[in-house]
Amino acid sequence: NAGVMQNPRHLVRRRGQEARLRCSPVKGHSHVYWYRQLPEEGLKFMVYLQKENIIDESGMPKERFSAEFPKEGPSILRIQQVVRGDSAAYFCASSPAVNNQPQHFGDGTRLSIL
Amino acid sequence: SQQGEEDPQALSIQEGENATMNCSYKTSINNLQWYRQNSGRGLVHLILIRSNEREKHSGRLRVTLDTSKKSSSLLITASRAADTASYFCAIHAGETSGSRLTFGEGTQLTVNP
Repeated sequence: NAGVMQNPRHLVRRRGQEARLRCSPVKGHSHVYWYRQLPEEGLKFMVYLQKENIIDESGMPKERFSAEFPKEGPSILRIQQVVRGDSAAYFCASSPAVNNQPQHFGDGTRLSIL
Repeated sequence: SQQGEEDPQALSIQEGENATMNCSYKTSINNLQWYRQNSGRGLVHLILIRSNEREKHSGRLRVTLDTSKKSSSLLITASRAADTASYFCAIHAGETSGSRLTFGEGTQLTVNP
């Protein structure tokens, strides 16, 4: 069984460009989460999605950031007009719709803004 | 803040010794989870302990939970160099299966051969 797959592993963008991060959850998992990690820090929650629905986006900046989990295909985290402060590792996790189950994490996308 | 806080921030031990990391939090929880992160990689789940459980074991790992003190500890026995990593506790405070995890800042464990 494949785990959570994230791509690309590394992404370099210039200020003002768009960054698009993709995440394929574990097969059968209906919950997807995005977290951001700055160097030497823990993960910070951004958004929680189920298929075609955003359930909790309270950790995501209101501007420039958006996320989706379409009926078909991977979940996408989109950052428009990137700035230097967006440089971080972005992790996706998935879990089944069963209580008291751990989240499974991908290896992340490391975003660097020039 | 619900945030878990790990203690110590960094721990350096010799191979074969035991390593203990602590986590404190502020809210009621559904469960508490420990994860390991090797440099440049994603998080690997270690143990999940439910709010009505007091202790769980998995191989060389032992986790305790004291909900009255809002604290948890992770013990790694007979440590190995390969245990070198960052360790994070994460609390799941939601009532339903789908809910965010709130992570602490982590403990950086170095096991010297």
